[in-house]
Amino acid sequence: KAGVTQTPRYLIKTRGQQVTLSCSPISGHRSVSWYQQTPGQGLQFLFEYFSETQRNKGNFPGRFSGRQFSNSRSEMNVSTLELGDSALYLCASSLEVAGVVADTQYFGPGTRLTVL
Amino acid sequence: AQSVAQPEDQVNVAEGNPLTVKCTYSVSGNPYLFWYVQYPNRGLQFLLKYITGDNLVKGSYGFEAEFNKSQTSFHLKKPSALVSDSALYFCAVRGRGTYKYIFGTGTRLKVLA
Repeated sequence: KAGVTQTPRYLIKTRGQQVTLSCSPISGHRSVSWYQQTPGQGLQFLFEYFSETQRNKGNFPGRFSGRQFSNSRSEMNVSTLELGDSALYLCASSLEVAGVVADTQYFGPGTRLTVL
Repeated sequence: AQSVAQPEDQVNVAEGNPLTVKCTYSVSGNPYLFWYVQYPNRGLQFLLKYITGDNLVKGSYGFEAEFNKSQTSFHLKKPSALVSDSALYFCAVRGRGTYKYIFGTGTRLKVLA
């Protein structure tokens, strides 16, 4: 079974631009979460989607948004990029079926975003 | 506020020696606890998780973790370290009834030959 895929793997943007990152979960997985990883802050939770609905949101400004499609694929968008947005953005998927407690998250390789 | 602490930025251990990577948490109730490992230029890989029951959890690649409720800790251990265990390790918690994972800042493990 294919793992979580993220595109693109690398991205270079300039301040003020916007960017869209894509995540395809493992087949059958219905929950997708997004994280921002930076050397000093570790992994910071952005948001989590399940069946096209955002169930949980981290403490990021409104410039960060996301959505999930009916096939569970997810996108996140960052508008008006700032230098501090440079980071590795990780996507994780999990099955989340009724009766399974705290299902394991499986991570993609990430998208490395550099803002100049 | 809910938080996870990994007090050591880096842990060095000789190959063949036991290793411990520490994790403490501050989450109300009885959270679910996880350990992940990250190799260079890769995403995180799941190692093990604690849901309930036996305080000693066994996971992938010979790793295990001990849940200690009174000390709110979930330390990762391995009886005999390998050079190939050198990587970045993350502890994470998820509160019961939530879908939000809180990660520690990571501990870099370096196993010396």
